[in-house]
Amino acid sequence: EDKVVQSPLSLVVHEGDTVTLNCSYEVTNFRSLLWYKQEKKAPTFLFMLTSSGIEKKSGRLSSILDKKELFSILNITATQTGDSAIYLCAVEAYGGSQGNLIFGKGTKLSVKP
Amino acid sequence: NAGVMQNPRHLVRRRGQEARLRCSPMKGHSHVYWYRQLPEEGLKFMVYLQKENIIDESGMPKERFSAEFPKEGPSILRIQQVVRGDSAAYFCASSTLGHFGGYTFGSGTRLTVV
Repeated sequence: EDKVVQSPLSLVVHEGDTVTLNCSYEVTNFRSLLWYKQEKKAPTFLFMLTSSGIEKKSGRLSSILDKKELFSILNITATQTGDSAIYLCAVEAYGGSQGNLIFGKGTKLSVKP
Repeated sequence: NAGVMQNPRHLVRRRGQEARLRCSPMKGHSHVYWYRQLPEEGLKFMVYLQKENIIDESGMPKERFSAEFPKEGPSILRIQQVVRGDSAAYFCASSTLGHFGGYTFGSGTRLTVV
């Protein structure tokens, strides 16, 4: 059965710290991996990764995919209290219908002032 | 562009009642997806619809749950004879074809069954 596992499940850091969130997957016919940030409401899109070794960056956030070892990491540098959220990792596979994303349980990040 | 609109934001139903959740996709998006998020769990795919068509309902429970996306109007997720275990957040997302970078979620409907 296809699965996505995120670690840690929760994390508490102080402002200014750097954090690394992990996502490993076992998915047949991998197509892409996506990261979302979920605050109190809608998950918002962060990154989509399809190729190994190519880092995607957006401000203090960056992410990279390793298709050989089947994992991705999401880095946040110089964390701020506004980064507090649940970070969701999802994988899309070929063969399944489009839209059938397989989500991990998320990492709950709390950034203390 | 108002984004993906879901209503109601919160819905309380007694056991045995029906719940109707609505989702209006983003303008220009013709693909709608429903996900359920149980407490302490990740989002779980339920159903994928295009206008007047159910493309993939592999994540839908076999009984009591149905979904539609009519030619006019919002997509509806309908839960008949709700039970306490149906209490969850139900999220809708929309996209253009094959464009997951543009896969936009609504704010969700939090269903509580009492």
